[in-house]
Amino acid sequence: GESVGLHLPTLSVQEGDNSIINCAYSNSASDYFIWYKQESGKGPQFIIDIRSNMDKRQGQRVTVLLNKTVKHLSLQIAATQPGDSAVYFCAESANDYKLSFGAGTTVTVRA
Amino acid sequence: KAGVTQTPRYLIKTRGQQVTLSCSPISGHRSVSWYQQTPGQGLQFLFEYFSETQRNKGNFPGRFSGRQFSNSRSEMNVSTLELGDSALYLCASGPGGQKTQYFGPGTRLLVL
Repeated sequence: GESVGLHLPTLSVQEGDNSIINCAYSNSASDYFIWYKQESGKGPQFIIDIRSNMDKRQGQRVTVLLNKTVKHLSLQIAATQPGDSAVYFCAESANDYKLSFGAGTTVTVRA
Repeated sequence: KAGVTQTPRYLIKTRGQQVTLSCSPISGHRSVSWYQQTPGQGLQFLFEYFSETQRNKGNFPGRFSGRQFSNSRSEMNVSTLELGDSALYLCASGPGGQKTQYFGPGTRLLVL
């Protein structure tokens, strides 16, 4: 699989490989984190979320990891498929219901 | 359940005009948030309404306003449009007691 140690705006992945998308957050008071997928011409689509009292959560083909010590969040996609090509956003929320979004990572799946 | 719906989907206005965008949340959701998405600034929070009250507000000028109705539907208004207001305006709804938000398809506004 391919991984990105620091946040990069783009990620190219071979179909079938695992993808890792990284996100750094800034607010140590953030207690809720969420990943979205946005395809061209569409609104962001919910993928998975995690609360600060957890460090890992799994969904269907996706896993979110949270490292509060270094304020880092990652999204792992297993067996990446062409339909996974999109822009992926992480977002955080602190003591309110406002989501603060990262810059996004564009994932391109190579056949 | 039907998802979040937004109308209109596309809009073209000229500078100085005003615009009203509409959002219908997922059935049962009482929280509605609005975001502005541009290539340069990304996704930025405008405001959030819950039970007809503005609960949170982002850092946008007073030209941007919103409201929520008793059926949880929401509208946002932008007055005295500027070229820089051209953006995708996204509405998201949530149950209210949780922070998970589900987005609609957005309204693409072009200001000429």
